[in-house]
Amino acid sequence: EVQLVQSGAEVKKPGESLKISCKGSGYSFTSYWIGWVRQMPGKGLEWMGIIYPGDSDTRYSPSFQGQVTISADKSISTAYLQWSSLKASDTAMYYCASGPGSSSIRYFDLWGRGTLVTVSS
Amino acid sequence: SYVLTQPPSVSVAPGQTARITCGGNNIGSKSVHWYQQKPGQAPVLVVYDDSDRPSGIPERFSGSNSGNTATLTISRVEAGDEADYYCQVWDSSSDHPGVVFGGGTKLTVL
Repeated sequence: EVQLVQSGAEVKKPGESLKISCKGSGYSFTSYWIGWVRQMPGKGLEWMGIIYPGDSDTRYSPSFQGQVTISADKSISTAYLQWSSLKASDTAMYYCASGPGSSSIRYFDLWGRGTLVTVSS
Repeated sequence: SYVLTQPPSVSVAPGQTARITCGGNNIGSKSVHWYQQKPGQAPVLVVYDDSDRPSGIPERFSGSNSGNTATLTISRVEAGDEADYYCQVWDSSSDHPGVVFGGGTKLTVL
């Protein structure tokens, strides 16, 4: 089955670090872009960045550049999103999604179920 | 940066046709993609490249794109179509190329 399986929900304190994961299966992980999308409670979709696992080409939204790090380990078909110091405003659902494209992603046709991150003191 | 504008809400009676617009500067020159998101679920791609449908998406879902407006059309609307809908493009025209989402439209089936 073609799917993206995300890591489980996290509850963290402000200032803590976090790395969440997204494992692809059933397709050629290195041939499709993987993106991360934030959805704050009751709000819309926000693009954070994308990575091409084949060569680790990574692009960030200006809104998230420097705030998070996107990486991938193609040997285990897994992409990651990490924070070095969480803030309460990072509380959101985070989706990974994959899609086709040559020099950049076109659209997201496969989505994970999301990882809920809650940051609270 | 490139901005996509969607109406916050659209309401339609069952069996009627819903049209959800997505406005952007010369959006007709870009490929537009549409997602459906039901409460508590991940988004699902329903139209890509302006008017193509992924496998498994009903023919009732169609799209068009011209000038400054792209449109998602849902024919013979059903109660199960009630959801949030988002348009998306890849913007290569700005200093910071990237994915752009519209603000989303809540479709209510009366």
